[in-house]
Amino acid sequence: SAVISQKPSRDICQRGTSLTIQCQVDSQVTMMFWYRQQPGQSLTLIATANQGSEATYESGFVIDKFPISRPNLTFSTLTVSNMSPEDSSIYLCSVGDGASYEQYFGPGTRLTVT
Amino acid sequence: QKEVEQNSGPLSVPEGAIASLNCTYSDRVSQSFFWYRQYSGKSPELIMSIYSNGDKEDGRFTAQLNKASQYVSLLIRDSQPSDSATYLCAVNAGGYQKVTFGTGTKLQVIP
Repeated sequence: SAVISQKPSRDICQRGTSLTIQCQVDSQVTMMFWYRQQPGQSLTLIATANQGSEATYESGFVIDKFPISRPNLTFSTLTVSNMSPEDSSIYLCSVGDGASYEQYFGPGTRLTVT
Repeated sequence: QKEVEQNSGPLSVPEGAIASLNCTYSDRVSQSFFWYRQYSGKSPELIMSIYSNGDKEDGRFTAQLNKASQYVSLLIRDSQPSDSATYLCAVNAGGYQKVTFGTGTKLQVIP
């Protein structure tokens, strides 16, 4: 499976600011996904990012709040904009195996908004 | 709404016993099923995939799928304290790579 890295691993941010999270994969992948996992909760899909096209957002998530870039087949960013304490969460990127539908996760970014 | 349901637990089993984790799903067209293990503070790790009815074994892990009953399970034989984690069931409806995750079952293996 692919090796996935995320930066930063954690951050503490002030209300009203924005944070960009990077996801790097060591091989080319078609589909990348961004998830949020709030404390004690399961994974919630934010959006799907395909290279060369606009990200597809899930219900309850909008581009203005969570803009995503996917400039090539090994990299993606998720920005959390105008943050509030409710955005405190772990943000995870994953990559999809097109043949098997399996997904593999990066180590996550732990975000705390004060 | 497509749902994946799991008992949140905790499920406590003694070391060496069989741990049985269960998952039901609502979307009848679901085709791919996954079990992830998540240690506290870590990201989910894929441990089993199953696509057809029946059993699939990998070491101490066995995944069981019954599409007629919309039920998938994970058996862990000879449970070890290192198996203590939250186990997430995930389901894909096919045709698109998005998967839906259950809320997870916390497993505690007691030495």
